[in-house]
Amino acid sequence: RKEVEQDPGPFNVPEGATVAFNCTYSNSASQSFFWYRQDCRKEPKLLMSVYSSGNEDGRFTAQLNRASQYISLLIRDSKLSDSATYLCVVIPSSGSARQLTFGSGTQLTVLP
Amino acid sequence: DAGVIQSPRHEVTEMGQEVTLRCKPISGHNSLFWYRQTMMRGLELLIYFNNNVPIDDSGMPEDRFSAKMPNASFSTLKIQPSEPRDSAVYFCASSPWTGGYTFGSGTRLTVV
Repeated sequence: RKEVEQDPGPFNVPEGATVAFNCTYSNSASQSFFWYRQDCRKEPKLLMSVYSSGNEDGRFTAQLNRASQYISLLIRDSKLSDSATYLCVVIPSSGSARQLTFGSGTQLTVLP
Repeated sequence: DAGVIQSPRHEVTEMGQEVTLRCKPISGHNSLFWYRQTMMRGLELLIYFNNNVPIDDSGMPEDRFSAKMPNASFSTLKIQPSEPRDSAVYFCASSPWTGGYTFGSGTRLTVV
């Protein structure tokens, strides 16, 4: 089983739609969680961190369920510019082992 | 801040040749990571350094791969001899102790 698994996608949605991505992680000791965005032929960039209480940044909402080892990302009122690959990212443990473990990514295309 | 700087941006080489990828992390960042991205396997951590010391190289695929960080401002990833299956995008990322990862633009390697 992969350490971080995501919906494979691709998701093709019309502009203005709401879309949700899911992600599960296998290591229950994982400490930190993120969503990254990667545009075609570009590097990954941090979209938002994910906190246990859930957090929102404009049209984006991230949720963490530690009991189910599940992370989600909700995008409301999607824009053409939201088209990208969304990567679920986990840091497996605390301390000096701070390497990011990436899911395989979910591709989103927002259609006009 | 110039961000994480990688060179070259693109590299095309013949099988059997030595390839050296270079990375300059953000000044003050104490952790440096090398990742490889392919369509089949996604983003994989190859090796990471804390304070110039290699901490975990378990992701390095085989002995043909080596990485060094002679000082806080420079790291190299070397492949010798290169093979077609090494073709991928190689990303370098750096992070301060407080967290927050920044990726370079990547080196797109093609081995023919």
